[in-house]
Amino acid sequence: DAGVIQSPRHEVTEMGQEVTLRCKPISGHDYLFWYRQTMMRGLELLIYFNNNVPIDDSGMPEDRFSAKMPNASFSTLKIQPSEPRDSAVYFCASSLVTEYTEAFFGQGTRLTVV
Amino acid sequence: DAKTTQPTSMDCAEGRAANLPCNHSTISGNEYVYWYRQIHSQGPQYIIHGLKNNETNEMASLIITEDRKSSTLILPHATLRDTAVYYCIVREGSSNTGKLIFGQGTTLQVKP
Repeated sequence: DAGVIQSPRHEVTEMGQEVTLRCKPISGHDYLFWYRQTMMRGLELLIYFNNNVPIDDSGMPEDRFSAKMPNASFSTLKIQPSEPRDSAVYFCASSLVTEYTEAFFGQGTRLTVV
Repeated sequence: DAKTTQPTSMDCAEGRAANLPCNHSTISGNEYVYWYRQIHSQGPQYIIHGLKNNETNEMASLIITEDRKSSTLILPHATLRDTAVYYCIVREGSSNTGKLIFGQGTTLQVKP
């Protein structure tokens, strides 16, 4: 398996524009997580899905953020409208939940909003 | 899930063992200790986990105290490529939420 695949790797956009980040989890994994990382706040869990259903979105900062998982092999994180403070690295991770959790992370999307 | 406390940073000489401590004094009986690391510009990577027994794999060893209130991650022969931020996380093993909450971690600098 190629691991968790995120696209794009880098995104530069202007304030007010819509941004869509994409994630393909590892095949067969039933959990998918979106994290945001900044110097100030570290790694923050934004939302996670189980079997394509959102379980906990309490980490989503504002209504400008939304996430979907239309099927087991694809998820999106959308920011509309984007703001400079949304600039961060966004990570997607997937896992199988057994007795313990080993999460596999993608390489991240570095978002810059100017 | 229990809170963890780690030193902000540590140095280690290349080829020596790196011992990274973690305090989790409020850990409960069904909570596991996980370690992840994040090398610069990459996503976090799983290292090892344990419940109460010491564990070893190809990457590291995990020593958990008998009262389970603290643990130590040991990299037996640190290399420059082990320079990274190391996260100690405590999570309920029986929980089906699966989520991992990261703290600030320990920045390990391996020096030649």
